[in-house]
Amino acid sequence: ETGVTQTPRHLVMGMTNKKSLKCEQHLGHNAMYWYKQSAKKPLELMFVYNFKEQTENNSVPSRFSPECPNSSHLFLHLHTLQPEDSALYLCASSPGQQNTEAFFGQGTRLTVV
Amino acid sequence: GDSVTQMEGPVTLSEEAFLTINCTYTATGYPSLFWYVQYPGEGLQLLLKATKADDKGSNKGFEATYRKETTSFHLEKGSVQVSDSAVYFCALTVPGGYNKLIFGAGTRLAVHP
Repeated sequence: ETGVTQTPRHLVMGMTNKKSLKCEQHLGHNAMYWYKQSAKKPLELMFVYNFKEQTENNSVPSRFSPECPNSSHLFLHLHTLQPEDSALYLCASSPGQQNTEAFFGQGTRLTVV
Repeated sequence: GDSVTQMEGPVTLSEEAFLTINCTYTATGYPSLFWYVQYPGEGLQLLLKATKADDKGSNKGFEATYRKETTSFHLEKGSVQVSDSAVYFCALTVPGGYNKLIFGAGTRLAVHP
């Protein structure tokens, strides 16, 4: 148990569907992150939120839309995805201070059909 | 830009063998360095970290030393076990970057009895 919970663990969606991934942390952290992990590719940072404000968007296509309503919750809204978007999506949180590590959830395995 | 380079895997070892996974980095300023481990079907877990030059991080028999002169943070273990089979990621954070982690591509380790 890392303190970061992601739901659902698995998701299959069609290219015309709209779905959302949820991440929740009760560690009192101020920073939250979305990462994408594809087969045979390095982990890609997608978005960073600090104190609910988005501080980084790593050139992510607009079909991915993040939302951070408070410091404990982070969502990733998905619409009109492509099959190449199939991947493991990992959420992480950290205190946001220098030299501190991030804590990861178990990820959502997304398959786009 | 900031980056991390890891040796390509997979690394296949027999139980009780010595393990080295090489990691080098490029960064502006003075980064903090991390090793994360990912077991099958799970998210990433912090294995060890070092926040300044010559620091040695250690955990569960694994060690890595922050070498500023060679910009390296190689992971070592004297005697691996089957349960160490996983994917290992080297990562860094840089000051002022809201602690976003920049990962290497990961190295898969398979340990056989």
